[in-house]
Formats: sequence, C-alpha cells, structure tokens
Amino acid sequence: QSALTQPASVSGSPGQSITISCTGSSSDVGYYTYVSWYQQHPDKAPKLILYEVSNRPSGVSNRFSGSKSGDTASLTISGLQAEDEADYYCNSYTSSRTWVFGGGTKLTVL
Amino acid sequence: EMQLVESGGGVVQPGGSLRLSCAASASGLNFDDYSMHWVRQAPGKGLEWVSLITWDGGRAYYADSVKGRFTISRDNSKNSLYLQMHSLRADDSALYYCAKETGSGSHIDYWGQGTLVTVSS
Repeated sequence: QSALTQPASVSGSPGQSITISCTGSSSDVGYYTYVSWYQQHPDKAPKLILYEVSNRPSGVSNRFSGSKSGDTASLTISGLQAEDEADYYCNSYTSSRTWVFGGGTKLTVL
Repeated sequence: EMQLVESGGGVVQPGGSLRLSCAASASGLNFDDYSMHWVRQAPGKGLEWVSLITWDGGRAYYADSVKGRFTISRDNSKNSLYLQMHSLRADDSALYYCAKETGSGSHIDYWGQGTLVTVSS
C-alpha cells in the first residue's frame, strides 16, 4: 500500500497551465478508472474536483481536466487563478480492495 | 447532500484507545445506501486512507498501517460511523476525516471537517 507518487510542488503564473502527475502501479492507477483528484486549501477539508479519471462534479470549473496513461494519471489546470493555489491529491482504488492517496502536490500561483 | 460531523478526538497516551464517531445527516440521501471511509491527515502531511466499511457493515477494509489495531463499524439506525482505535502510537496522531463514497463506489464525494487525535505522553 505505497502512496501514489506526485511531485511535491508545482508552480505557474496566472493564466498559464500546469499539470500534476500521479504515478501508481498496475494494481491501482494502471488497472482501474477509479482515479479521483481532490483540492485542499489550508485548514479545509478536501474537495472533489475530478472523478473516474476525467469527470468533473457539478460546479467544478472546466479549467480542471484529467487523463490517464498506463500507470500515471494527470491533472491539468488551465488558465491558472490565484484561488487555485492549494494542495492537490490523487486517489485510486486498488486490487486489494483498498484505496490509496498520492503524497500531495502543493500548487503555487506566482 | 450529506453532512458529516466527526467527534471523539482528543489526547491519548501511547498504547491507549479511542473511539471516533461520525454523525451523518442528509437531505434526499440515505446513509445506509453508501459505503463509508475514514481518512487521516497528520499535521502538515498528506492524506492517508485508513478504512472502509460497506453499506451494510458486512465488509471492512483497512490500511496495513492500522490493520489489527483499528476497527470500523456503523449503526445505520443511528446514521453513524465509528472507528475504534487501540494500541495507539505517536504516528497515529492526525486529523481523522469521515467520508462518504458514491453509490457507484468510484470515489469519495463528501467529507466531514475532521476530529483531531493526538497520541502523546
């Protein structure tokens, strides 16, 4: 049950696009489409922003998009805004019928 | 929408026990339709999945880090979720979130605000 691998930090300027990767294995990200992404602002509970790799819940901006290739899922945020500055976590179902999160990525909007 | 309110956190000595509770209230949703999770976050650290229980309480799954020490349970008549924690260690110190899984079972969609557990002598 090793955590999925995410970059510790990414940064971008307002209006730019950034991509956060989430690398797992053939037992989790590589096998299932049950990959989700969460945004967490300081001292707040996580908020769902993508589910099943690329689906957005109602109310989430279409600036957030997701994809998956092999054992790696990716979150792309386009048209960066100051309010996007937060921690981002990926999550995947696993073949052990458990769930695993990524280590988290801190997004800084310059 | 479902509101989740955790309680039961506090300071406990290493080796001690604690029971967390999560009260669910929902408009248009039935608590007993959904699997429920516990997820924790140590101070300044990332999210760690802890445990899952199916809608009927029939199956439970645990992270290796808590297996054999933690027990998840639910009482659907009370719209409540629980986490019994034994043999607590310093690295169990965290904010513990109660979270609801979607009906499709593909992801967590609602989170509580968490209850803080501190294991310290």
